[in-house]
Amino acid sequence: EAQVTQNPRYLITVTGKKLTVTCSQNMNHEYMSWYRQDPGLGLRQIYYSMNVEVTDKGDVPEGYKVSRKEKRNFPLILESPSPNQTSLYFCASSPHQHTQYFGPGTRLTVL
Amino acid sequence: GEDVEQSLFLSVREGDSSVINCTYTDSSSTYLYWYKQEPGAGLQLLTYIFSNMDMKQDQRLTVLLNKKDKHLSLRIADTQTGDSAIYFCAESGNNDMRFGAGTRLTVKP
Repeated sequence: EAQVTQNPRYLITVTGKKLTVTCSQNMNHEYMSWYRQDPGLGLRQIYYSMNVEVTDKGDVPEGYKVSRKEKRNFPLILESPSPNQTSLYFCASSPHQHTQYFGPGTRLTVL
Repeated sequence: GEDVEQSLFLSVREGDSSVINCTYTDSSSTYLYWYKQEPGAGLQLLTYIFSNMDMKQDQRLTVLLNKKDKHLSLRIADTQTGDSAIYFCAESGNNDMRFGAGTRLTVKP
């Protein structure tokens, strides 16, 4: 089944403890992206990647890192999480910029 | 920065038409999208329209684009209770995408 998977789906952590949210797609898509969703703000793009080893900042990249070492994986890294990074995170992939397929979401709480 | 704006709530009766409106500011937007998000789920692409088009129809969905006014609308004909969800307008110009805050559509029986 063609899909985008994210792990974990739920995570509660403490300020400053490094964490990684994984994202994987099995559709051989070149384009992948991370978003955060907050009430009243919709989705805001954190980072995106046009292809392997190519990443670019979205609208809200501060406090996040990404890597794209292989086509199928696009992990989101929070080196030192803070409470304002408590949010619902979505990974998406696409064969091109359009028709993005979204993962199920990761709900992160930083205490 | 560039913005995408939409009203936060819309309530309609089952069987009526729903019209969700969106405005955007980026004049270089190439594609405009409508996504649907059901509770606890990710976003599902409903439809998209290229910026040189005025209208696109797909079954019960009609998208209208007024490029001059930077106004996009989504009309859902014969709205059903299963259409209750949050609808996001989005635009892309370069390689990034911007979303509106979402319109929560409530369909009353």
